[in-house]
Amino acid sequence: GENVEQHPSTLSVQEGDSAVIKCTYSDSASNYFPWYKQELGKRPQLIIDIRSNVGEKKDQRIAVTLNKTAKHFSLHITETQPEDSAVYFCAASPRWNTGNQFYFGTGTSLTVIP
Amino acid sequence: NAGVTQTPKFQVLKTGQSMTLQCAQDMNHNSMYWYRQDPGMGLRLIYYSASEGTTDKGEVPNGYNVSRLNKREFSLRLESAAPSQTSVYFCASRETSGAPYEQYFGPGTRLTVT
Repeated sequence: GENVEQHPSTLSVQEGDSAVIKCTYSDSASNYFPWYKQELGKRPQLIIDIRSNVGEKKDQRIAVTLNKTAKHFSLHITETQPEDSAVYFCAASPRWNTGNQFYFGTGTSLTVIP
Repeated sequence: NAGVTQTPKFQVLKTGQSMTLQCAQDMNHNSMYWYRQDPGMGLRLIYYSASEGTTDKGEVPNGYNVSRLNKREFSLRLESAAPSQTSVYFCASRETSGAPYEQYFGPGTRLTVT
């Protein structure tokens, strides 16, 4: 089955700096890669996603890049703000997946220091 | 649309008691999922239902049972609760026809077993 690894597990940045979170996956059949943000005590919510036919996607201060050859994808947050502080999860979804499951990384706790 | 709803929000059980966590979605999604989230361990899949009438085990199914009551509702039952089942439980749903789509999460149930 699919295996997703996520690094780093914790990340602290100064407000205004950039943050990068990286994930690797094992199954070349994965074709969908969402990123979720979970604030303390809240549910995970999608912030950006990318499909395997696209190399990069951007939404304001957030971008995701995908390297299918190397089987890794990354989340980039620019001009970080205190409200970006949260836990971020990456996931991969293989197209063979009869259960349509997501395979989640273990999460990155991001702290933005004002 | 209410999205994905869960009841109850909080529950305290004694060891050996049973309970059912309820989940419903109003987005006409085919697939539904139950996760548990423990500190520092990310989201672990307990059971999933790829479509109405089917259920399958995920990563951590022991001690749980599920019922896909209809397309909208997917319940999780703990027959004899144990302290190791203290966790936050999230239900999620996903549309699975056509292009890959995100999972939508419910607000979670915080369960404590004493």
